[in-house]
Amino acid sequence: KAGVTQTPRYLIKTRGQQVTLSCSPISGHRSVSWYQQTPGQGLQFLFEYFSETQRNKGNFPGRFSGRQFSNSRSEMNVSTLELGDSALYLCASSGLGGRGSYEQYFGPGTRLTVT
Amino acid sequence: KQEVTQIPAALSVPEGENLVLNCSFTDSAIYNLQWFRQDPGKGLTSLLLIQSSQREQTSGRLNASLDKSSGRSTLYIAASQPGDSATYLCAVPTGTASKLTFGTGTRLQVTL
Repeated sequence: KAGVTQTPRYLIKTRGQQVTLSCSPISGHRSVSWYQQTPGQGLQFLFEYFSETQRNKGNFPGRFSGRQFSNSRSEMNVSTLELGDSALYLCASSGLGGRGSYEQYFGPGTRLTVT
Repeated sequence: KQEVTQIPAALSVPEGENLVLNCSFTDSAIYNLQWFRQDPGKGLTSLLLIQSSQREQTSGRLNASLDKSSGRSTLYIAASQPGDSATYLCAVPTGTASKLTFGTGTRLQVTL
């Protein structure tokens, strides 16, 4: 079974630009979550999508948005990039597993650098 | 608000030692607790998931325990190897099963 894939793996953008990151979950998983990881703040939850609907949202400004398609693939968009948006963006997928668990499986991440 | 703390922040041990990593959380009403490993610049690899009804979970040389009443979990690594060098993170769902709150991690170095 293929794991979670994220594209692109690396991105360099300029302040003010916008960026779109993509995540393909494990086959059969309907939940996709996004996290931002920085040295200062650690791992922070951005949002979760389930069956094309945003089910949860973290404390990030409206510049951060996402969507999910009918095949469960998800995209995350950041508009008007700021230097502080430089981070590793991680996507996780989950599905109902053994004994009712919802184990999270993470992708390799997209390293975004804003200059 | 759920807060997750990991002690120690960093640990260096010689190869072959058994070691324990600690994770504590403030709100004991959790569905489960998950331990992850992260290599530098890489994504997270799930190591173990302990359901709230379980006391421990084992996978190879790894054993994780969970004590909900005291808000603690430990990850025991037996016979450590240099390949175990990584950052270890624990996480608990907050509010819903898919929204994880992470600890700050323990950076482990296993030396030859």
